[in-house]
Amino acid sequence: GQQVMQIPQYQHVQEGEDFTTYCNSSTTLSNIQWYKQRPGGHPVFLIQLVKSGEVKKQKRLTFQFGEAKKNSSLHITATQTTDVGTYFCAARDKLIFGTGTRLQVFP
Amino acid sequence: AAGVIQSPRHLIKEKRETATLKCYPIPRHDTVYWYQQGPGQDPQFLISFYEKMQSDKGSIPDRFSAQQFSDYHSELNMSSLELGDSALYFCASSPGYEQYFGPGTRLTVT
Repeated sequence: GQQVMQIPQYQHVQEGEDFTTYCNSSTTLSNIQWYKQRPGGHPVFLIQLVKSGEVKKQKRLTFQFGEAKKNSSLHITATQTTDVGTYFCAARDKLIFGTGTRLQVFP
Repeated sequence: AAGVIQSPRHLIKEKRETATLKCYPIPRHDTVYWYQQGPGQDPQFLISFYEKMQSDKGSIPDRFSAQQFSDYHSELNMSSLELGDSALYFCASSPGYEQYFGPGTRLTVT
């Protein structure tokens, strides 16, 4: 069935380093969403990408949707301890969440 | 701003018991979703309602049922509970494409 995989599963970085998580779907997606879930918290919507090759930025976060609309990435520049959490991509039309990437930032 | 409200926040039940989880969506949001999240897992979609009608069904066991009422609140009913049902249950509401998640109900089945 439909699967949305994310890599890496875990990432530990030093504060100030960059971080990227990749999201890959087995099928073409009409759109992709990104959520952040802090430890012990609930998923919080970050952004939705719809167009092929779309790139959106939110301060230090850059989101990209692949040309074939089967993959997406989230890049964080100069991580901060407040970035700690699990980042999920989600195939909105399929209501499927990716496997998530857990980010740990060491001060 | 008003957020999604879920009750109870924590629930402990024994095997074979029943449980009812409640969700109060953000006012004027027309869609409600239910998710189950196991430890270290991604949220698994269970079921959704659009304007009080079931709109999509995911991996919801036959032992579970849900409905949305005239006041737009939703309830997830879980019967014959099993140990494997222990998880965080999230409700989310949506006015369009983004989903706003509630704080979740942590269900522990012993």
